[in-house]
Amino acid sequence: DGGITQSPKYLFRKEGQNVTLSCEQNLNHDAMYWYRQDPGQGLRLIYYSQIVNDFQKGDIAEGYSVSREKKESFPLTVTSAQKNPTAFYLCASSEDTRYGYTFGSGTRLTVV
Amino acid sequence: EDKVVQSPLSLVVHEGDTVTLNCSYEVTNFRSLLWYKQEKKAPTFLFMLTSSGIEKKSGRLSSILDKKELFSILNITATQTGDSAVYLCAVHTFGNEKLTFGTGTRLTIIP
Repeated sequence: DGGITQSPKYLFRKEGQNVTLSCEQNLNHDAMYWYRQDPGQGLRLIYYSQIVNDFQKGDIAEGYSVSREKKESFPLTVTSAQKNPTAFYLCASSEDTRYGYTFGSGTRLTVV
Repeated sequence: EDKVVQSPLSLVVHEGDTVTLNCSYEVTNFRSLLWYKQEKKAPTFLFMLTSSGIEKKSGRLSSILDKKELFSILNITATQTGDSAVYLCAVHTFGNEKLTFGTGTRLTIIP
């Protein structure tokens, strides 16, 4: 079945550590996105990529990094520079943005 | 800067009630408006609207867009506990390869 897989579902990290969230899709979509969701704040865009080896910052890119070496994969690294990383992270992909996204199931990151 | 505002932020109703969720937007070069339902994790697609006045319907859910007044509503009739979720509204604009989301409305249905 085609879809987007995010892993892990839950992640705990100590302060000062970098952590990488995985996002893989087999939908053959060109565009991929990372959003952060906090209670009462909706979805905020971190990074997005339209094609392989190219990506753009979203509204809250500070403290995050991404790569797009393969069409299927768009991993997100939460660095120690991110001041408040505890959140729910959603990955999405799209064939044509006007029709919306297909979302992964999310990763809940907790910094302890 | 594109802006999408949803209201109310949260809503609690009894099973069987009818609810109306609101989404207003201020964007440049509107292309489409989308509604999603998020129960626990992945948001799932409900409707895409591009034209004013044309109602989209799926079972007990329906939605309509007013491009003159810049808003959309999502109606749910005869609500059930399975309708409890966060409902997200998003807007796409021409020349932009990303969606702008509202804050969402958390709907809780009491049995």
